[in-house]
Amino acid sequence: EAGVTQFPSHSVIEKGQTVTLRCDPISGHDNLYWYRRVMGKEIKFLLHFVKESKQDESGMPNNRFLAERTGGTYSTLKVQPAELEDSGVYFCASSQEPAEASYPYNEQFFGPGTRLTVL
Amino acid sequence: GQNIDQPTEMTATEGAIVQINCTYQTSGFNGLFWYQQHAGEAPTFLSYNVLDGLEEKGRFSSFLSRSKGYSYLLLKELQMKDSASYLCAVRDRGSNYQLIWGAGTKLIIKP
Repeated sequence: EAGVTQFPSHSVIEKGQTVTLRCDPISGHDNLYWYRRVMGKEIKFLLHFVKESKQDESGMPNNRFLAERTGGTYSTLKVQPAELEDSGVYFCASSQEPAEASYPYNEQFFGPGTRLTVL
Repeated sequence: GQNIDQPTEMTATEGAIVQINCTYQTSGFNGLFWYQQHAGEAPTFLSYNVLDGLEEKGRFSSFLSRSKGYSYLLLKELQMKDSASYLCAVRDRGSNYQLIWGAGTKLIIKP
């Protein structure tokens, strides 16, 4: 079974440009998460989809970030316009169980990440 | 506030045992995860603790004390392939059950 895949693996853009990251979760996983790791710091939660709905987007840093999951399959994360501080590794993860109280254990399967560098 | 602390880096010898500690402060603890991440690769799940005590899985064990806000990951019979970053993450009711992550501990295994 294929794992979580992300595209591209690396992206180098200039400040002010737009970048779109893609995540394909494990087939059948309704729950999809986006995370970001800035160099030397901890992974931070961005948002959580359940199927095509945004369950929790409390971690999105500002309105320059737009995530979509049309059809409840793959997801995209667009950064427009990109700023220097957006540089980092963007991880996507998927799980069968949701991040809810009634599911104390939800193992998340991660993709390899997209390394974004904004110059 | 929420805070997860782990040592930045540790070094151990092949064949030995190493313990990686994680302390946390969250508003509503709801489970602790350990993930392993090799450089440039995806984090992969290692263990899960929600009750106090030790969970053993082969060469890896994870311990939790909720009253102390403390966990450790114990790696036995270290192998060179265990060189990786080890990430501690806590599920927090105060954060909609999303994971709060530590910065990770880079483990270097020497022959």
